[in-house]
Amino acid sequence: ELKVEQNPLFLSMQEGKNYTIYCNYSTTSDRLYWYRQDPGKSLESLFVLLSNGAVKQEGRLMASLDTKARLSTLHITAAVHDLSATYFCAVEPKGTYKYIFGTGTRLKVLA
Amino acid sequence: GAVVSQHPSWVICKSGTSVKIECRSLDFQATTMFWYRQFPKQSLMLMATSNEGSKATYEQGVEKDKFLINHASLTLSTLTVTSAHPEDSSFYICSAGGRDSPLHFGNGTRLTVT
Repeated sequence: ELKVEQNPLFLSMQEGKNYTIYCNYSTTSDRLYWYRQDPGKSLESLFVLLSNGAVKQEGRLMASLDTKARLSTLHITAAVHDLSATYFCAVEPKGTYKYIFGTGTRLKVLA
Repeated sequence: GAVVSQHPSWVICKSGTSVKIECRSLDFQATTMFWYRQFPKQSLMLMATSNEGSKATYEQGVEKDKFLINHASLTLSTLTVTSAHPEDSSFYICSAGGRDSPLHFGNGTRLTVT
């Protein structure tokens, strides 16, 4: 059974701190996506990672992909309150066009 | 950029009735669209792949006779929840996109069955 697991599931952190969210998956894939979801809203695309070693950065967020380890990370630098949301990774198994979502990480940044 | 429009945003219906949700790709053609369901504070679960001009492909455990999907054109897919029950209450989200670009998600439909 394909599994996409995120760690941690919940994260409460102080403003200004750094932290990393991990996304592990159990299938062969070289396509991984990160999304943000605010309460009651749909998904906002953050990063598209399409190859091993891919690294993307936008503002205080940086995502990377290691297809050999089947691991992606989302690193938060100097967190601010506006980053409070739920973050999902989604894996596209090789040979399919389906996205399988991770368990989600609920992030709360405390002022 | 690509936009996916979903309608309605929220709907309340009585048990036993059917509800139709529309998903439109506004500025691109989508031969494939996807329907997801999300329960409160949980992840998104893929329900089915909607294929233009052919039958939808349902994920294991999803009742195809309960969740009817029609993809009659390259810009429109519909999901009909038939004979809805309170346990069908959920957030339903559609998505579509090009092969080499990330999927774009609709704004979602919050369904409440009373």
